[in-house]
Amino acid sequence: GQQLNQSPQSMFIQEGEDVSMNCTSSSIFNTWLWYKQDPGEGPVLLIALYKAGELTSNGRLTAQFGITRKDSFLNISASIPSDVGIYFCAGSGGSYIPTFGRGTSLIVHP
Amino acid sequence: DTAVSQTPKYLVTQMGNDKSIKCEQNLGHDTMYWYKQDSKKFLKIMFSYNNKELIINETVPNRFSPKSPDKAHLNLHINSLELGDSAVYFCASRRDTLNTEAFFGQGTRLTVV
Repeated sequence: GQQLNQSPQSMFIQEGEDVSMNCTSSSIFNTWLWYKQDPGEGPVLLIALYKAGELTSNGRLTAQFGITRKDSFLNISASIPSDVGIYFCAGSGGSYIPTFGRGTSLIVHP
Repeated sequence: DTAVSQTPKYLVTQMGNDKSIKCEQNLGHDTMYWYKQDSKKFLKIMFSYNNKELIINETVPNRFSPKSPDKAHLNLHINSLELGDSAVYFCASRRDTLNTEAFFGQGTRLTVV
């Protein structure tokens, strides 16, 4: 099956710092999604990407669909305490069924 | 107003019991899923239904049986619960089989003691 490697596994940063995380796949994807999960809640969709090279922003979040179609990146600028949570990448090929990465746990110190 | 709602949010039960988790979506989506999230937060798909028909059944024990009475509902029944079934179970929906964006419920934390 499809394998997704998401890194880093966890990040501890100071408020105001920028954050970068990425996902790589063993196979080509047609869609990349980025989700955030707050404690005790379900994942919430942040950004969806549909084309290789696409760069999409949602407020302080920016995500890119890698040119090779096997990777994607999420950047968070000027982090704030409420950015704390687990960020998941998810990708899908022809089946349109999203496969999830193992998540990046983000902790922001005030 | 909740788009994907599942009940209960918490479920504590003894080994060997049978339990059900219910899920409803009011988004008008055709496709619904059940995902299992383990203690390491890994999200793994269990089942997918499209218009009440099962389209994906991953390697899940037969003790787990999904049921979709209509396309807005997908319930999960678990027989003979085991300790290893303890996890958070998420229901999710997407518009149709040609769309990847999945919308998740709040999760049901199942604890088997």
